[in-house]
Amino acid sequence: GAGVSQSPSNKVTEKGKDVELRCDPISGHTALYWYRQSLGQGLEFLIYFQGNSAPDKSGLPSDRFSAERTGGSVSTLTIQRTQQEDSAVYLCASSLVARGGGEQYFGPGTRLTVT
Amino acid sequence: QKEVEQNSGPLSVPEGAIASLNCTYSDRGSQSFFWYRQYSGKSPELIMSIYSNGDKEDGRFTAQLNKASQYVSLLIRDSQPSDSATYLCAVQANSKLTFGKGITLSVRP
Repeated sequence: GAGVSQSPSNKVTEKGKDVELRCDPISGHTALYWYRQSLGQGLEFLIYFQGNSAPDKSGLPSDRFSAERTGGSVSTLTIQRTQQEDSAVYLCASSLVARGGGEQYFGPGTRLTVT
Repeated sequence: QKEVEQNSGPLSVPEGAIASLNCTYSDRGSQSFFWYRQYSGKSPELIMSIYSNGDKEDGRFTAQLNKASQYVSLLIRDSQPSDSATYLCAVQANSKLTFGKGITLSVRP
């Protein structure tokens, strides 16, 4: 079946602009996760959703970052007033369940470059 | 701070050899353990999951877990040049995955 999809695959934006990144999880997966991977860095957890609610937002770096999920499916990560340090690959993953060993499958990512 | 540590690497092995990748974690409450493979410029790909102490084999891959020692490893038998990638150890407690920084494996033809 279809895997996790993300759009756009690449985004170049000017500092100070807002951007929206989209994730479409595997059909039937109730949990959805956002991560960020900067050059040479590990995967940094941002936020996860179980259904439409976000029990853990602890990884969001600042209040410029927000995310929502509607209909238990598609999620959007929004970054307001982008800064150069926001440049990274933003990865989305989904799993059947959030707890107890839910294997996470990643999408191809969105490469964000802030100029 | 919950941590996942991997050998800094890089690791280089000849084709056909066994590659051994190691990982330790700090949270004793961790329940699930995963290995991901990431090729350059690509997203992580799940290759192994393990949930109980002991060994789990899948083809040329064997994952080993020792919860008492807080240690998980991945063995790759008969290494191939196509195995050259960065391998990420990930540990789950409750709902959150914590990743190690990864180790880069190079398999020499």
